Amino acid sequence: EAQVTQNPRYLITVTGKKLTVTCSQNMNHEYMSWYRQDPGLGLRQIYYSMNVEVTDKGDVPEGYKVSRKEKRNFPLILESPSPNQTSLYFCASSFLSTMNTEAFFGQGTRLTVV
Amino acid sequence: SQQGEEDPQALSIQEGENATMNCSYKTSINNLQWYRQNSGRGLVHLILIRSNEREKHSGRLRVTLDTSKKSSSLLITASRAADTASYFCATYTGNQFYFGTGTSLTVIP
Repeated sequence: EAQVTQNPRYLITVTGKKLTVTCSQNMNHEYMSWYRQDPGLGLRQIYYSMNVEVTDKGDVPEGYKVSRKEKRNFPLILESPSPNQTSLYFCASSFLSTMNTEAFFGQGTRLTVV
Repeated sequence: SQQGEEDPQALSIQEGENATMNCSYKTSINNLQWYRQNSGRGLVHLILIRSNEREKHSGRLRVTLDTSKKSSSLLITASRAADTASYFCATYTGNQFYFGTGTSLTVIP
């Protein structure tokens, strides 16, 4: 089954404690991205990757890191989480075609930083 | 920000009625997509319309695109209670996706 898998689904952590949210896709997509969703603000792109070892900042990259060592995996790293990073996070992947960029989303990770 | 905006923010209709939601965006686009999100879950792709298309249909969905006005609309015909969800438009431009703020649709049985 074609899918994007995020883990964990829920996470409560303390300020400053490094964490990683994993994302994996099985569709051989070149493009992968991370979003955060906050009430009234919609989805905002944090980082994206167009292929292995190629990553770029989205609209809200501060406080986040990513890596793309393999095509299928795109982990999101919070080196020193802060309460303003409490949010619902989504990973998504798609093929790299300007005419057909349907994105497939993971089920989300609800992060609370206390 | 190049983020789009949906209108209205919330919409409540009776089952069987049609639901129309609108999206405005700010820059030139390659395509525009509509997604659906059930409460707190991942977004699901509904339909994609390319910048050289004006209208597209998929089942009970009809999407229009007016690139001169930088706007799109999504029409859901004969709505069902199961259509209750949030709907987002998204544009893909400059290697990035830009999502609107969403329309929350409630269909009352």
